[in-house]
Parts: sequence; C-alpha cells; structure tokens
Amino acid sequence: NAGVTQTPKFQVLKTGQSMTLQCAQDMNHNSMYWYRQDPGMGLRLIYYSASEGTTDKGEVPNGYNVSRLNKREFSLRLESAAPSQTSVYFCASSGGQATSGQYFGPGTRLTVT
Amino acid sequence: GNSVTQMEGPVTLSEEAFLTINCTYTATGYPSLFWYVQYPGEGLQLLLKATKADDKGSNKGFEATYRKETTSFHLEKGSVQVSDSAVYFCALSVIDYKLSFGAGTTVTVRA
Repeated sequence: NAGVTQTPKFQVLKTGQSMTLQCAQDMNHNSMYWYRQDPGMGLRLIYYSASEGTTDKGEVPNGYNVSRLNKREFSLRLESAAPSQTSVYFCASSGGQATSGQYFGPGTRLTVT
Repeated sequence: GNSVTQMEGPVTLSEEAFLTINCTYTATGYPSLFWYVQYPGEGLQLLLKATKADDKGSNKGFEATYRKETTSFHLEKGSVQVSDSAVYFCALSVIDYKLSFGAGTTVTVRA
C-alpha cells in the first residue's frame, strides 16, 4: 500500500516551458487535491477534484490546469512556467468527508529559472 | 471565514522535555480538527484528529483535545525525542475540499 505517490521528485524548468506533475493514490479515495507550499505562505490549494470526472478551482489556480484521469490519478499541468511557480507541490487525497483528513504525497520540488 | 492560528516558532527544547503547541480556530459550522507533521524533505503526515467537541486525538505519544468552549486544539507530548523534530501544522475542515492550515510551528529537539 503505497498511499499517495508523486512524480517527479525534483524538476528544473526554464521560463515558458511546460510540464505535468503526476499523482496517484491507491486508497480508493474519491477526492484529490493539489497544493503548493511556499515559505511564509503555508499550504495553498490550487485545484481539487471531489470525484472522478469533476475538478474545481482552489485558492491559487492561475497558471495551472488539472486532469482527473481516473479515480486513482490526478495530474497538474503548467502550460508556460514562470519563476513565481517555483515551489514545492503536494498532492493529497481523502475519503470525501470533512472528518476524513487528507493524506499527502512526498512532494515535487520545482524550480523555474 | 474559517481560520487557524498556531503559536509561532521556532521551538527548541531538550530531549525528554514536555512539548505544547497552541492552536486556536475560528470556524462556521462544526469543524473537524487535525494535526499534521512534516519531517524535513517529506510531505505532510496526518498525526491525529478529533471530529467533535471533547474528543481527544492521540498518536505516537502526542495528544490533543477538541475544546469547543475555548475554540482550541493544543498539541502536547510528555517526553519528546530527537526524532520529533519537524514542522507541525494545525488544520480544520468544515467542507472536505477546504482544509485550512495554520502557518506551522518548527520544533527542534536537542539531544
């Protein structure tokens, strides 16, 4: 039981390049989330998916797109990377209720130069 | 809106000392409360939770009690170890998609 997995662990991009961050969970959770973590800013929600086939914007969605490929997988795409998107990105999943708590992946450290 | 305020760090203490991290919240409705821990270079791990007033969450020697009258969820551990050095986040959830985090408290335990 791997929980939540993310790839890659590290990535360096040049401004304007695109990339997709991958996330998968094996806990049969309905809900999945993407966060970014920046020093002094805490964790901020980028997008979430309450169930397969649905996605919604979070607090900081600009510059990102997501795809809920199936129940297990939820990807985050940066179409044209900017230095302001340098951050650590975390994927999380949960059972779909406020009492469940969320389970986080190990993170992707992204640097945009 | 919903928000969480936790004590600022960093907190530095010696092994076997008592640890308390204060957390207070503001919420509409009936929140569930959580403590997460983040070890260096890793993701957040759910440490413990409480889903209604007077519930006590516990795990790995850590405890926290949901106090509705003081809107608090303070984290405590009676005897810390070097391996407890991490960043601790208090969080609440009223609706599943919205997990509101505190700013985090960095704890360093010296041998």
